Amino acid sequence: QKEVEQDPGPLSVPEGAIVSLNCTYSNSAFQYFMWYRQYSRKGPELLMYTYSSGNKEDGRFTAQVDKSSKYISLFIRDSQPSDSATYLCAMGEMEYGNKLVFGAGTILRVKS
Amino acid sequence: DTEVTQTPKHLVMGMTNKKSLKCEQHMGHRAMYWYKQKAKKPPELMFVYSYEKLSINESVPSRFSPECPNSSLLNLHLHALQPEDSALYLCASSQDSAGAQGYTFGSGTRLTVV
Repeated sequence: QKEVEQDPGPLSVPEGAIVSLNCTYSNSAFQYFMWYRQYSRKGPELLMYTYSSGNKEDGRFTAQVDKSSKYISLFIRDSQPSDSATYLCAMGEMEYGNKLVFGAGTILRVKS
Repeated sequence: DTEVTQTPKHLVMGMTNKKSLKCEQHMGHRAMYWYKQKAKKPPELMFVYSYEKLSINESVPSRFSPECPNSSLLNLHLHALQPEDSALYLCASSQDSAGAQGYTFGSGTRLTVV
């Protein structure tokens, strides 16, 4: 079993839809959680990071962490064609800092 | 300046060549990283420098040799690479040595070994 599981998609949605991207993990020691967006042939771009269970909102993006279920989500409201990219979840432990564990990435396509 | 700059953007090299990848950041970040990313795969950690000292080497073959000349620069020296080493090489930096507030990635160097 991989430490972090993420459905690779592709996930195809119409413009304006609410998108839900998800990851599950097995290591209960993970303490911080991130979401990155990666456009084709570019480096990943940090969207959000959080340490605690609950929701964190930033514009159209909401990150949700449920440590009891070992489940994290990223919601994108009012999705746009420019949101079409690969979304990577990542997480790590403070004790083993610098060693982010990435999910496989979900390809998102927003159709206009 | 909130960027990580990588050069060159593209590199084609033969298996007997020696080349170097360069990375620069001026955000005062304390940790810098090299990642390798194959197509449709997540980034794989290669090396971590924390406060200019090599802190993590993920059992990378010796044909890859990292160097951190100062707190803003990170190099990756390449020698006698194999075609399977062709990939996108990403440099990243983080404000704290644990990287808990996220990494800033560069756009990468797309390396092709022929």
